[in-house]
Amino acid sequence: GAVVSQHPSRVICKSGTSVKIECRSLDFQATTMFWYRQFPKQSLMLMATSNEGSKATYEQGVEKDKFLINHASLTLSTLTVTSAHPEDSSFYICSARDLASGGAKGEQYFGPGTRLTVT
Amino acid sequence: AQSVTQLGSHVSVSEGALVLLRCNYSSSVPPYLFWYVQYPNQGLQLLLKYTTGATLVKGINGFEAEFKKSETSFHLTKPSAHMSDAAEYFCAVSEWRDDKIIFGKGTRLHILP
Repeated sequence: GAVVSQHPSRVICKSGTSVKIECRSLDFQATTMFWYRQFPKQSLMLMATSNEGSKATYEQGVEKDKFLINHASLTLSTLTVTSAHPEDSSFYICSARDLASGGAKGEQYFGPGTRLTVT
Repeated sequence: AQSVTQLGSHVSVSEGALVLLRCNYSSSVPPYLFWYVQYPNQGLQLLLKYTTGATLVKGINGFEAEFKKSETSFHLTKPSAHMSDAAEYFCAVSEWRDDKIIFGKGTRLHILP
């Protein structure tokens, strides 16, 4: 099946610094990637939809200047948490939609997640 | 707007017993429905999905779910629980015209020996 990777799997950073998380589709092309945030014991909340070659679409309440998303190629999207604070600590999960899946809209493959801890 | 309601944040069943995880959805158009499983500190794995056609959908690991439009439900079942089924389960909905997937709050399944 389709594989999505994320790097790093865990990261600890100091308050005020920026952290970049990569999401890659390993064996398929993804015109659209999604970034989710999951707080402990809670559901996934969609943060933004990332389209290759264009600006990301952010969900209401998500600061686009704080969570920078770049989707430079059909296999890579990055999420940069700028000026991170302890409240940004969370589990960040990306997903990618397989271009080849065509009519199976909604078919998304999820990465393993990145645990961000801001101290 | 779409939404998903999962009844019961925690469900406990004995090993070998029937697993039933409940999910109700709200959608203004015919929905796509999904069940995902998440193991600790891992991403989500698709168990099964309904898009069109047969309303009884079979997935991996012996799970299945039935789309009931009249009840706006998509409950997940497995005839006989296994210890390895202990995990968090998420029901999700999306619309055919929209890539977004909306997740329920999740149900943690506990398997009792």
